[in-house]
Amino acid sequence: GEDVEQSLFLSVREGDSSVINCTYTDSSSTYLYWYKQEPGAGLQLLTYIFSNMDMKQDQRLTVLLNKKDKHLSLRIADTQTGDSAIYFCAESVNDYKLSFGAGTTVTVRA
Amino acid sequence: NAGVTQTPKFQVLKTGQSMTLQCAQDMNHNSMYWYRQDPGMGLRLIYYSASEGTTDKGEVPNGYNVSRLNKREFSLRLESAAPSQTSVYFCASSDLTLGQYFGPGTRLTVT
Repeated sequence: GEDVEQSLFLSVREGDSSVINCTYTDSSSTYLYWYKQEPGAGLQLLTYIFSNMDMKQDQRLTVLLNKKDKHLSLRIADTQTGDSAIYFCAESVNDYKLSFGAGTTVTVRA
Repeated sequence: NAGVTQTPKFQVLKTGQSMTLQCAQDMNHNSMYWYRQDPGMGLRLIYYSASEGTTDKGEVPNGYNVSRLNKREFSLRLESAAPSQTSVYFCASSDLTLGQYFGPGTRLTVT
């Protein structure tokens, strides 16, 4: 089955690191994704990780994948006000479909 | 490249009216998708088109129809709008392996 879960809210101080967590259920997912949605906009693909990887780093973003626990996390280093947004975790269900979590609203406070 | 474009950006309909949401992509992607986004529910897939000439139902297809007009364009039609269809609608496209790319959305209100 497909069920992606995320916590709904995260508040972080500017300059600190943010960690957004996600759990998924489909152990056959090939790719896992993180998307960012700013107010009034569409979803922007931030990064993705292939299921045979444990970690992927891309500038301020670090993705960690624990396949045994079906746990995915996104760490944003040196969080800025422009990082305030909703972050969606998604898993690939098959070649065509993604299953999305409900999204984590990240608020960056000064 | 414009990426994925959607029209209109906003629409208000009365119950029972019909309308078509348009989507186009210029990335030469084979697959296209329509989602709706409701508060606290993430994105739910309405219909998708794996390739030109094919369409398939997603998670919430009732009340909607789609047309894959050509490789670039994928439209979503509401034949008889209902208040439950008030939502933000997103179109997306993909080349399968590197995720889906989303348009800016259409905000639809049905009164």
